[in-house]
Amino acid sequence: SYELTQPPSLSVSPGQTVSIACSGDNLDNKFVCWYQQKPGQSPVMVIYQDTKRPSGIPERFSGSNSGNAATLTISGAQAMDEADYYCQAWDSSTAGVFGTGTKVTVL
Amino acid sequence: EMQLVESGGKLVEPGGSLRLSCAASGFTVSSNYMSWVRQAPGRGLEWISLIYRGGGTYYADSVKARFTVSRDDSKNTLYLQMSRLRAEDTAVYFCARDNVVITTSGSLSHYYYHGMDVWGQGTTVTVSS
Repeated sequence: SYELTQPPSLSVSPGQTVSIACSGDNLDNKFVCWYQQKPGQSPVMVIYQDTKRPSGIPERFSGSNSGNAATLTISGAQAMDEADYYCQAWDSSTAGVFGTGTKVTVL
Repeated sequence: EMQLVESGGKLVEPGGSLRLSCAASGFTVSSNYMSWVRQAPGRGLEWISLIYRGGGTYYADSVKARFTVSRDDSKNTLYLQMSRLRAEDTAVYFCARDNVVITTSGSLSHYYYHGMDVWGQGTTVTVSS
């Protein structure tokens, strides 16, 4: 089965930039999405189709996907960005597997 | 406003069965791909099932042959029938809409995945004796 790997945790100072990596075989052949989940809440999509932001998601969230790795970047992190982040890969022949998740701490 | 509301989660004994419901409003379930995703306590998200617009289904290996996804178009509701439940099925279960845009060029169809853009609040299933 297809697997996506993320670092378990990252920390960032307020106003600084943090990048979360997501690795998987031939990941650039799939659509990658990113979700933010805060404690006790449902996930919220912050990036779809590798680079696109849904309506209402701040511009400080950006994404990329190349080769075997996708990246979510938060530029100018804020305290409200402290959350768990999950990548997801999808193609038309399979459903969407999630990455292992990354806990981002803003301190 | 598009909304999903799950229900049906409860405490059930190992080996038992349970049916979860996911009622949609603001969009039509049968016109969309719909997924079930679960999250065990303190763990990450796990995709477990998908129902396509045409009614076809797809399952993760962890639930294949034990769980069945279906929908009632008249009620605009998605279901997850769970059987032979195990302790490791204990989790919060979410339903979500998979926003898939399909374009056709001649005989070729192109699929564009716009992500799980609508999520329910989740319902808790606990499998324990």
